[in-house]
Amino acid sequence: EAEVAQSPRYKITEKSQAVAFWCDPISGHATLYWYRQILGQGPELLVQFQDESVVDDSQLPKDRFSAERLKGVDSTLKIQPAELGDSAMYLCASSNLGQLDRTQYFGPGTRLTVL
Amino acid sequence: AQTVTQSQPEMSVQEAETVTLSCTYDTSESDYYLFWYKQPPSRQMILVIRQEAYKQQNATENRFSVNFQKAAKSFSLKISDSQLGDAAMYFCAYRSASGGTSYGKLTFGQGTILTVHP
Repeated sequence: EAEVAQSPRYKITEKSQAVAFWCDPISGHATLYWYRQILGQGPELLVQFQDESVVDDSQLPKDRFSAERLKGVDSTLKIQPAELGDSAMYLCASSNLGQLDRTQYFGPGTRLTVL
Repeated sequence: AQTVTQSQPEMSVQEAETVTLSCTYDTSESDYYLFWYKQPPSRQMILVIRQEAYKQQNATENRFSVNFQKAAKSFSLKISDSQLGDAAMYFCAYRSASGGTSYGKLTFGQGTILTVHP
C-alpha cells in the first residue's frame, strides 16, 4: 500500500539553527499539505500545495518558515532560525484530486525538538 | 471560520465493550466532509471513517460507526467490541467542500485519548 514518506523522523536542534524536513507524497497525489501538531493538540495547517503552487500559506510564519515543491512531487519545509516554540510534530499529508472527498493520507511525521 | 470541538480529553473502555467519542463543529456551510482519524502513540495518523454531509445515512466501517446529526452539528464515533489496538488519540476533523483558499484544509479538534483496559 502506498504511503507518504517523511524524513527525518526525529530532529534535535539548538535555537537559531536551520532545520529542514522532507516529504514524498503518495504517487499521483497532486495536493500536499504540511501541518504542525503541538503535543496534545490537533494538527494545524501550515501550507497547502496544488502541484508546485502554494494555494494556502496563511498560517505559515513566513519570517522564519519556507516551503517548496519545485517539481510538484516531493516537498521541503524549512525553518530558519528555529525557536524554542517550534518544538512540535510536523506532519505531511497528500490527497488525490480524483477522489471526491479528497481524503488526506498522513506520513509518520518529523518530531522536532529545539533546545 | 469553522471550528471543531471534542469535549472529552480522555475516555476509557473495557476490552470488548462499546465506547462513543463526541465531536461537535460549527460551520455556516451546507456541504462538507467530516472525518475521524486515529493516532496511536508514536505512530502515524490513519483514517478511521469519513462522512459526507449531504448523505443522510451514517457511515460504517466494520466496528466503527458514526452518528451524524447535521442540524445539531454533531458527529460522534462509536467503537464496538473495543480491542487493545484501538488505544490511541482520536481526532475529529472537518473539511469544506466549497471552493476558495480553505478548500482542502482539515480543521481538527483537540483530540480524545482512548484507553482500552484488558
